[in-house]
Amino acid sequence: KAGVTQTPRYLIKTRGQQVTLSCSPISGHRSVSWYQQTPGQGLQFLFEYFSETQRNKGNFPGRFSGRQFSNSRSEMNVSTLELGDSALYLCASSLEVGTAFFGQGTRLTVV
Amino acid sequence: GIQVEQSPPDLILQEGANSTLRCNFSDSVNNLQWFHQNPWGQLINLFYIPSGTKQNGRLSATTVATERYSLLYISSSQTTDSGVYFCAVVGSSNTGKLIFGQGTTLQVKP
Repeated sequence: KAGVTQTPRYLIKTRGQQVTLSCSPISGHRSVSWYQQTPGQGLQFLFEYFSETQRNKGNFPGRFSGRQFSNSRSEMNVSTLELGDSALYLCASSLEVGTAFFGQGTRLTVV
Repeated sequence: GIQVEQSPPDLILQEGANSTLRCNFSDSVNNLQWFHQNPWGQLINLFYIPSGTKQNGRLSATTVATERYSLLYISSSQTTDSGVYFCAVVGSSNTGKLIFGQGTTLQVKP
């Protein structure tokens, strides 16, 4: 069974641009959640989608958004990038409850 | 919200030594997982253990939900065990939202 796949793996963007990250969950998993990891703040929850509906949202500004498609694939978008958005973005998939499995992450650098 | 505290923050061991990592959480949880973050950033599942004890090779974990803590035991450590270990929980009212501790950075010296 294929694991969680995140694309792209690395990304460099300029301040003010926007970026879209993609996550394909494990087959059969309907829950996809996103996390941001920075050295200063650690791992922080961004949002969770289940069956195309946002089920939980973390404490991030509206520049951070996401969506989930009918095949459970998810995207997150960050608009008007700031230097502080540089981070490792991790996606996890799970059945409705239980073990969360993480992808390899997308490392975003904003210059 | 739930607070998750891990200790110690840093740990240095000689190869072959045993260690215990601790995770305290401030409220009842539906889910508790231990992860090892590899050098490339991926979080590798070690245990899903909201309660009880599990073992997988040289690693074992115990969660005492009533006392709100979990322990991860690493026996006969190897250099490949080096990295950051995270504990993460899901609160009883929040499916899918993992709250992470700050991690324990383990260095195993040959």
